[in-house]
Amino acid sequence: QQPVQSPQAVILREGEDAVINCSSSKALYSVHWYRQKHGEAPVFLMILLKGGEQKGHEKISASFNEKKQQSSLYLTASQLSYSGTYFCGTEPAGSWGKLQFGAGTQVVVTP
Amino acid sequence: NAGVTQTPKFQVLKTGQSMTLQCAQDMNHEYMSWYRQDPGMGLRLIHYSVGAGITDQGEVPNGYNVSRSTTEDFPLRLLSAAPSQTSVYFCASSYQDVSSYNSPLHFGNGTRLTVT
Repeated sequence: QQPVQSPQAVILREGEDAVINCSSSKALYSVHWYRQKHGEAPVFLMILLKGGEQKGHEKISASFNEKKQQSSLYLTASQLSYSGTYFCGTEPAGSWGKLQFGAGTQVVVTP
Repeated sequence: NAGVTQTPKFQVLKTGQSMTLQCAQDMNHEYMSWYRQDPGMGLRLIHYSVGAGITDQGEVPNGYNVSRSTTEDFPLRLLSAAPSQTSVYFCASSYQDVSSYNSPLHFGNGTRLTVT
């Protein structure tokens, strides 16, 4: 079962912050985050493992709440280059290697 | 360093035809997978492999076959193409199991398939 992402889309002005959420109905081994620009392949941002450890990539960070099976991606002081579609991928416990992605969150950063 | 190479980039098939989408990686990655991407549905896992000789089904395996005879190659076969298989297909690979900080997915550039 695919993880659920919210919101579906968000429009930001440069410098604003945003949060993208990803939730699963199953216990998880790991959560991945990727960004895809139009017409291109998804590009890796970060991986989070069980333990709630927060990771960071530039001014983008993420957290993983293992008990709630939820992950959040934080876009801080957004830049024009942050525009794209963000996908979370989850690997359910008991389904080793079966990385499933959410429907994506479209982010548009305007000047 | 080519990374993950998918061929062809574009393909048009008629209903009922069969074809193979090729995927090759030169990073000695054990894990490989195939996804299809449709508008509003994100990336859906078709099949994946955790090593040569080992494959397993993802979320949407019907109508597709895979095999993994070598570490480098992971072809996806469409047995009898249907319009519902019109999509963009991505192949991805990873160093090891995806529950590791060493295991980001590396994606190919995709194959855009149209079935008429």
